Amino acid sequence: EAGVVQSPRYKIIEKKQPVAFWCNPISGHNTLYWYLQNLGQGPELLIRYENEEAVDDSQLPKDRFSAERLKGVDSTLKIQPAELGDSAVYLCASSLDSARGRSEQFFGPGTRLTVL
Amino acid sequence: SQQGEEDPQALSIQEGENATMNCSYKTSINNLQWYRQNSGRGLVHLILIRSNEREKHSGRLRVTLDTSKKSSSLLITASRAADTASYFCATAPRSNFGNEKLTFGTGTRLTIIP
Repeated sequence: EAGVVQSPRYKIIEKKQPVAFWCNPISGHNTLYWYLQNLGQGPELLIRYENEEAVDDSQLPKDRFSAERLKGVDSTLKIQPAELGDSAVYLCASSLDSARGRSEQFFGPGTRLTVL
Repeated sequence: SQQGEEDPQALSIQEGENATMNCSYKTSINNLQWYRQNSGRGLVHLILIRSNEREKHSGRLRVTLDTSKKSSSLLITASRAADTASYFCATAPRSNFGNEKLTFGTGTRLTIIP
């Protein structure tokens, strides 16, 4: 069974440029998460989807960040424009059905973003 | 914001020894989970313990939970070089809706010395 797939693995951009990350969750997983992980810290939730609905985006900086999961499968996270402080690892995770307590999350390898 | 806080922040032990990591959290929980992260990789789920459980085992892992102290510990017995990684606790808050939003701690960096 394929795990959570993320691309690209690494991205280097200059500040004020846009950037997008892509995630394909495990087949059949209804819940998809985007996390931000700073060096030496634990992941912090940006947004959580139940199927195609964003049920928790309270931590997403909506002035520059956006996300979508149009068909309830894969998802994209966009930053426009990127700032120096956005340099971090962006992790995608999925779980079978968080609404029914099946909250074990499966993580992708992450995208390491460097903003110069 | 980080809900949990792991202690110690870093731990180095000899291969074969036991490693113990602790996690403290702030709010009432539905369950607590431990994850491992190897350098440059995503997190891997290790074990889940529910709020009504006090101890759980999985292979060389033993997790305890003390809800009165809002703390948990992860014990890895007979450590191996491959156990070198960062370990995170994550808490799912008590909720009537069944949706579980995990909040991760700051992690313990474990190094096993061959």
